[in-house]
Amino acid sequence: DSGVTQTPKHLITATGQRVTLRCSPRSGDLSVYWYQQSLDQGLQFLIQYYNGEERAKGNILERFSAQQFPDLHSELNLSSLELGDSALYFCASSSSGEQYFGPGTRLTVT
Amino acid sequence: GQSLEQPSEVTAVEGAIVQINCTYQTSGFYGLSWYQQHDGGAPTFLSYNALDGLEETGRFSSFLSRSDSYGYLLLQELQMKDSASYFCAVRTADYKLSFGAGTTVTVRA
Repeated sequence: DSGVTQTPKHLITATGQRVTLRCSPRSGDLSVYWYQQSLDQGLQFLIQYYNGEERAKGNILERFSAQQFPDLHSELNLSSLELGDSALYFCASSSSGEQYFGPGTRLTVT
Repeated sequence: GQSLEQPSEVTAVEGAIVQINCTYQTSGFYGLSWYQQHDGGAPTFLSYNALDGLEETGRFSSFLSRSDSYGYLLLQELQMKDSASYFCAVRTADYKLSFGAGTTVTVRA
C-alpha cells in the first residue's frame, strides 16, 4: 500500500460526458502528479501540482483540467469524453523525488 | 523534449540474471528512476540514480552513466513474481518525470 488513494476504482461513462477523478496523496506529500496509461502503453505525464499550485504540465488535453485543494487532495476533470480517453488514470505523490502511485482509476468511455 | 529507449520485452528462466538497458535524450537531466508494474497494478518505485555508478537494493541493482546518457536495471536471481513491466523514467529540472515505453519481463520456470 503506497498510502495514495484514488476514487473511484472503476468508471464507465458515455461519450460527451464529464467525470471527476479524485486523489489523496500520502500524508506529508505536497506534490501530486497525474498520469494517463492507455492499453499496453507507457505512462503519459499529464500535470503536476505542488502545494496547491500548478507546477508542470505535460501532454494534457484542453478538455482535461485539474486542481489541488488546501487539504492537498487533487481532482482531475475530464470533459467531452471521447472513446480514446478510455485508460487507466494514476495519480502519484512525492516529497523527496520518488513518486508513490495510487491504485488508479480505470475509465471506460462507451 | 525527452526520449527514452528500452527493449520491449525480455524472457528469462527462474534464477537467471536480466539486464534492462535504458538510453535517454533530454535536457535538464536530474536523475534516472526505475519502476515496476504488474499487470493492471500501480507502478511501484524500485530505484533512483542521480550520480554515476551502481545502486544495489537486494536482488535489484541500477546503474547510471550520465556521460553516456545510459542506465540499466539488473534483476538477479529471477523469481516468477518478477514477471512484470519495468519502466525507466527521467527526472528533469522542470519537475517532470518522463517514462519509457516499458520492458515486459517474462520469467519462465
